[in-house]
Amino acid sequence: DAGVIQSPRHEVTEMGQEVTLRCKPISGHNSLFWYRQTMMRGLELLIYFNNNVPIDDSGMPEDRFSAKMPNASFSTLKIQPSEPRDSAVYFCASRTGTGGSEAFFGQGTRLTVV
Amino acid sequence: GENVEQHPSTLSVQEGDSAVIKCTYSDSASNYFPWYKQELGKGPQLIIDIRSNVGEKKDQRIAVTLNKTAKHFSLHITETQPEDSAVYFCAASKSSASKIIFGSGTRLSIRP
Repeated sequence: DAGVIQSPRHEVTEMGQEVTLRCKPISGHNSLFWYRQTMMRGLELLIYFNNNVPIDDSGMPEDRFSAKMPNASFSTLKIQPSEPRDSAVYFCASRTGTGGSEAFFGQGTRLTVV
Repeated sequence: GENVEQHPSTLSVQEGDSAVIKCTYSDSASNYFPWYKQELGKGPQLIIDIRSNVGEKKDQRIAVTLNKTAKHFSLHITETQPEDSAVYFCAASKSSASKIIFGSGTRLSIRP
């Protein structure tokens, strides 16, 4: 398996634009997580899904952020409109959700909003 | 809510010496405690984990200890090497299907 795949690896956008980050979890994994990493706040959990259903979105900063998981092999995190303070590295991770507990992380998307 | 605190935020040790990173968690229902290593430009990778029914686990130069009563857990790296330089995160989770909460990270530097 190629692991968790995120795209794009880097994104530079202007303030006010819509940004969509994409994630393909490891096949067979039932849980998917979106994290945001900044120097100031570390690794923050934004939202997680079990079996494609959002379970906890309490970490989503505000209504400008939304996440979807239309099927077991794809998830998106959308920011609309983007702001400079959204600049961070966004990670997607997946785990089996049953038995095994290790979460595997993607390489991340470095987002810069100018 | 759930919280994981991690100390120290930075740690510098002489090559060959040991490094210890400590974490505390707030939710007594947590039962799975992984440790991740993050190298520059990469996502975090699991290096070792421990479950609540075990007090200690060792894998070569790395060991973790867990004190459920005090809600403390620690990472111990012995005989440190330059390639151990990275950011280390502790984390806690209640079950295989629940969220994983991370500590704030420790930047470990190994001095040659």
